[in-house]
Amino acid sequence: AQTVTQSQPEMSVQEAETVTLSCTYDTSESDYYLFWYKQPPSRQMILVIRQEAYKQQNATENRFSVNFQKAAKSFSLKISDSQLGDAAMYFCAYLVEEGGSEKLVFGKGTKLTVNP
Amino acid sequence: ETGVTQSPTHLIKTRGQQVTLRCSSQSGHNTVSWYQQALGQGPQFIFQYYREEENGRGNFPPRFSGLQFPNYSSELNVNALELDDSALYLCASSVGLAGMSDEQYFGPGTRLTVT
Repeated sequence: AQTVTQSQPEMSVQEAETVTLSCTYDTSESDYYLFWYKQPPSRQMILVIRQEAYKQQNATENRFSVNFQKAAKSFSLKISDSQLGDAAMYFCAYLVEEGGSEKLVFGKGTKLTVNP
Repeated sequence: ETGVTQSPTHLIKTRGQQVTLRCSSQSGHNTVSWYQQALGQGPQFIFQYYREEENGRGNFPPRFSGLQFPNYSSELNVNALELDDSALYLCASSVGLAGMSDEQYFGPGTRLTVT
């Protein structure tokens, strides 16, 4: 069974500092997609960054980057120059293809607080 | 803004009742997925529709059912509501099942409370 584990229920960071959120996953597939989603208090899930497993290069999107370690099944998110607007729940997710459908399997999330 | 809307925003129902939640996807998005997010948890996959046909289902009982319409709207129906059905219900749409390359766009969710 595919599972996603986020071991940090809560994290905090000072504004302008860097924080890393951890995620591990379990899969027997060789090709798959991993995602980080942000869910602010408004509740709308927003895609932060996406990594394709067959790509060796770590994905980056402006201040957001990932450290993808395929052998270790680890997919951490680094937020640089943290801003107050980064405060939210962050969910790591794995895309599974089953029986013709594609579903996201989510971790339990990490609540990020940004202190001014 | 993702262009995906959901209604209503909040809903309170009594155990045993039935409820219909609605989602409006972006034009051209042929796939819609529904997720249940219990308090303090990540979303869990309920089912997915592609061009008005259900093409995948998670571990949810048959009292959870859905419909997808040609106008890119969809519904999630839950019969015989139970207290444990209290959760945030999210829909997510994408263009299609193009080899996992499509981004899924989420709506803001409907908060359902069952008393």
